Amino acid sequence: DADVTQTPRNRITKTGKRIMLECSQTKGHDRMYWYRQDPGLGLRLIYYSFDVKDINKGEISDGYSVSRQAQAKFSLSLESAIPNQTALYFCATSAPRLAGSADTQYFGPGTRLTVL
Amino acid sequence: SQQGEEDPQALSIQEGENATMNCSYKTSINNLQWYRQNSGRGLVHLILIRSNEREKHSGRLRVTLDTSKKSSSLLITASRAADTASYFCATRPTGGGNKLTFGTGTQLKVEL
Repeated sequence: DADVTQTPRNRITKTGKRIMLECSQTKGHDRMYWYRQDPGLGLRLIYYSFDVKDINKGEISDGYSVSRQAQAKFSLSLESAIPNQTALYFCATSAPRLAGSADTQYFGPGTRLTVL
Repeated sequence: SQQGEEDPQALSIQEGENATMNCSYKTSINNLQWYRQNSGRGLVHLILIRSNEREKHSGRLRVTLDTSKKSSSLLITASRAADTASYFCATRPTGGGNKLTFGTGTQLKVEL
């Protein structure tokens, strides 16, 4: 969905490096999420934010931090990357208060991160 | 831990056949959703069924929900090669805010 963009799309880094993944949306949604996807494990929630002042840990937040700079921007940081953080990372948005949208989440194209 | 588990993990069918995927979950839910993911791409929402609904249709998609068995099925009729993708169920637990819990997915391959 072009309304949710992620940068970079691909990143290769080394163990111990700090990495930031960025997500921007033009949908006007107030809720944003970060997930990671590993083969055979589906998507797991890392952090989520229901508005600019609201940040919540998800299922697997250890080793990650986030920043909600504005309603439209939600960044995920790996302070000191390790190889088992190699995965596909997705940002998503939702706006349950919008008529007809219910809980539908809209996903970005993903960032493929490799930690060597 | 995963809330939803899809079955089968992989499914290969011929074009024109129907494809059925199943999802089981563990806790009471507000709604259940199905998403599609083309290889390496973001997920796309397909259909949502609420806990008080038993069946829902959208084009070639038919979803059923059995809350007593905590299970759902997704049927794709008259499949096409373009339906080749991974399909995920996602549940919104009752009282769980707006968090969705995704299953592990079914990889569908539709061959010509």
